[in-house]
Amino acid sequence: SQTIHQWPATLVQPVGSPLSLECTVEGTSNPNLYWYRQAAGRGLQLLFYSVGIGQISSEVPQNLSASRPQDRQFILSSKKLLLSDSGFYLCAWNRGAGMNTEAFFGQGTRLTVV
Amino acid sequence: GQQLNQSPQSMFIQEGEDVSMNCTSSSIFNTWLWYKQDPGEGPVLLIALYKAGELTSNGRLTAQFGITRKDSFLNISASIPSDVGIYFCAGNTKDDKIIFGKGTRLHILP
Repeated sequence: SQTIHQWPATLVQPVGSPLSLECTVEGTSNPNLYWYRQAAGRGLQLLFYSVGIGQISSEVPQNLSASRPQDRQFILSSKKLLLSDSGFYLCAWNRGAGMNTEAFFGQGTRLTVV
Repeated sequence: GQQLNQSPQSMFIQEGEDVSMNCTSSSIFNTWLWYKQDPGEGPVLLIALYKAGELTSNGRLTAQFGITRKDSFLNISASIPSDVGIYFCAGNTKDDKIIFGKGTRLHILP
């Protein structure tokens, strides 16, 4: 069966510090991978998605970036965090190759920038 | 860009009542998905719809993929306390994006 791992679960970082959130998927190959951000009490905003290694599509211009160094690994990064980067970050995957299937989510990372 | 308009934003109901929520869009989606999110957790898939006109049930939940591929609804029958949470609709686009609605927050009054 497929599983998705996301870590850390919570993170408190000072303004201006770097960020690296990691997401890995097991039990499948060539998945689509997604990063979302959710502000408190709000909906899910798509930040980045990837249909293959090294292929990243950005939905919202900001000081975040994403990378996919391996087939089942998706990393969200920032060189310098802003207060507005606080939120709940969610990674998700679905079957790729244009199959348009349901997505499954990790448990999320609660990021607080102070 | 493509957007999903989800309504209502919140609902206050009595235990045992039926619930209905819906999503609409000006764009066509290939798949419609319904999720539930509990506080501090990732969304959990409830129902996936793949064909226009498709009506699917999962226990007390029923969802339909609109015939125009631009809308979907979710019904919950005989609500119980554990139904409390935020419900999201989502749609797959032809370029593999998954777009979410803003959610419907369900409250159940004692």
